[in-house]
Amino acid sequence: DSGVTQTPKHLITATGQRVTLRCSPRSGDLSVYWYQQSLDQGLQFLIHYYNGEERAKGNILERFSAQQFPDLHSELNLSSLELGDSALYFCASSVGLGQGSGANVLTFGAGSRLTVL
Amino acid sequence: AQTVTQSQPEMSVQEAETVTLSCTYDTSESDYYLFWYKQPPSRQMILVIRQEAYKQQNATENRFSVNFQKAAKSFSLKISDSQLGDAAMYFCAYRSAFNNNDMRFGAGTRLTVKP
Repeated sequence: DSGVTQTPKHLITATGQRVTLRCSPRSGDLSVYWYQQSLDQGLQFLIHYYNGEERAKGNILERFSAQQFPDLHSELNLSSLELGDSALYFCASSVGLGQGSGANVLTFGAGSRLTVL
Repeated sequence: AQTVTQSQPEMSVQEAETVTLSCTYDTSESDYYLFWYKQPPSRQMILVIRQEAYKQQNATENRFSVNFQKAAKSFSLKISDSQLGDAAMYFCAYRSAFNNNDMRFGAGTRLTVKP
């Protein structure tokens, strides 16, 4: 157990629907990162939150949104789902931000596998 | 933006032999960190090794070591005495030392270990 909890583990839904993926970071970690991994591909950076504030956006579609709550858990909302959104969605957490914090590793959750039919 | 390139989509090694996975990156930053992550069939992302860019000494973790060439922006992973359990996808990653410390990944190399 990495300490990063993601729910649900698996989710099957239909095109046009909306889903919410949830992430609880490791205790003490203030940063939450979301990544998308399509079949047999690398991890695409979606978005980064630090202590409730959005810090950076990557290749995140406008149909996707995220937030980090006061208790530091984060949710990734995916709407108007398309077949191409089927992927493994990872959440990762880390301590700190800025100078010196880059040495801290990202701890990954087990991922949420989304299948859009 | 920083980019990470892994030019070997697939590699194969005989059990007990040594294999080297390649990674290059592009950045204008002077301080950063480099990582290798392993993703076995379970899909869990597992940290293998970490290198600080300001350190000239190559990082080593048991059978895993890196060859870090800062001027060439190269960061290869050497696996010695390969074991069947080493079979996995390996991802090279770059993390900025500044600002948001975002981590960017390469496309991965699938390593097969032959008994």
